[in-house]
Amino acid sequence: QIQLVQSGGEVKKPGALVKVSCKASAYTFSNYGITWVRQAPGQGLEWMGWISGYNGDTKYAEKFQGRVTLTADTSTTTAYMELRSLRSDDTAVYYCARDSAYYDSGSVFDPWGQGTLVTVSS
Amino acid sequence: EIVLTQSPGTLSLSPGERATLSCRASQSVPRDYLGWYQQNPGQAPRLLIYGASSRAPGIPDRFSGSGSGTDFTLTISRLEPEDFAVYYCQQYGSSTRTFGQGTKVEIK
Repeated sequence: QIQLVQSGGEVKKPGALVKVSCKASAYTFSNYGITWVRQAPGQGLEWMGWISGYNGDTKYAEKFQGRVTLTADTSTTTAYMELRSLRSDDTAVYYCARDSAYYDSGSVFDPWGQGTLVTVSS
Repeated sequence: EIVLTQSPGTLSLSPGERATLSCRASQSVPRDYLGWYQQNPGQAPRLLIYGASSRAPGIPDRFSGSGSGTDFTLTISRLEPEDFAVYYCQQYGSSTRTFGQGTKVEIK
């Protein structure tokens, strides 16, 4: 079945960077995109950005522009989310989810990865 | 950016009752590109509804979505024990994807 499997939890110090991976399987990676969403403890869902599996185009939420980089490796069908200059309020579960290959086409997010807890603490 | 406001924040109901969840957008959602997700504690969200009213594969028919423009509704016709969870609406029609803040459906 279509699956997204994320890397394991991370503990980072303030100011560091984290890179989370999202391995896709059982579908044609280049026909879709990957979106990233985070959820702080006890809070709602926050969209971070999108990358096309077709051509590598990206779109970022304004809040994260300049601090996050999304990449995708079509040879390994893996997407990556790198977040820099970490702060304590970046502590959250980070999810990847399948999205559309073209951003303006619009798509719901389905399926989702299992989530990766990133803890930022000194 | 389209802001989505969900109401109520918490809905206290008994199994077998009907649940009606609201999602209001600050401006019209293009193409009615509005989805609903269910999230249980410690789990990733699960897609229920896309395009405002289409059920995702495998979703029971007690879940239904309706609405257009700026006002959308998720209805659960008869609550089952596994339906007590948090529900989020999300729009994917504009330049920035956004979520509502969520509605928690709890057992009364």
